[in-house]
Amino acid sequence: DTAVSQTPKYLVTQMGNDKSIKCEQNLGHDTMYWYKQDSKKFLKIMFSYNNKELIINETVPNRFSPKSPDKAHLNLHINSLELGDSAVYFCASSQGWGTPSGNTIYFGEGSWLTVV
Amino acid sequence: AQSVSQHNHHVILSEAASLELGCNYSYGGTVNLFWYVQYPGQHLQLLLKYFSGDPLVKGIKGFEAEFIKSKFSFNLRKPSVQWSDTAEYFCAVYGGSQGNLIFGKGTKLSVKP
Repeated sequence: DTAVSQTPKYLVTQMGNDKSIKCEQNLGHDTMYWYKQDSKKFLKIMFSYNNKELIINETVPNRFSPKSPDKAHLNLHINSLELGDSAVYFCASSQGWGTPSGNTIYFGEGSWLTVV
Repeated sequence: AQSVSQHNHHVILSEAASLELGCNYSYGGTVNLFWYVQYPGQHLQLLLKYFSGDPLVKGIKGFEAEFIKSKFSFNLRKPSVQWSDTAEYFCAVYGGSQGNLIFGKGTKLSVKP
């Protein structure tokens, strides 16, 4: 059973389109994240939700909008895609936020987004 | 602000060579430290983690790391690498004040058969 699953795994789309990446975790975790890995493999946090509430919102264009319908899901919607949005987007989850026992973060398999 | 530095961008070794990847972090409070591995085209997998206690931590696949608080370091080691260890290795720190993992820029390890 996949603990953190995200779809689609690969996505090729044209500039200007709107697309969504879905993420689900079956670990019973309270906290979920979106990370972006650029072409140089650098990983950076984008958003974090704890119990469906947004707790981290890094400097990300407002074309990116996360949505958490429940604790087990955190979807990422991207409007008006640009070439620079091409990257690998990783969803992740952890048991808690800011507590020692919850600090192991488990990652999904990534979604490879290519904007052409 | 917390930060993580990985000194080696690309390390090339022959099979059976010993490995040590450097990682330094900057954060004055209590930290949790991690090493993740990313095999080509795959997702991040947890290799090992340090929360407290014994500063020498053993992980999966024969990897270990040593937390040296005075040096703000958490170096990854393996006595004998294999070709299958070829991957990107990321050091990360979790400090409660920021509530998320801060990653280093990664070290690419290439093991020649």
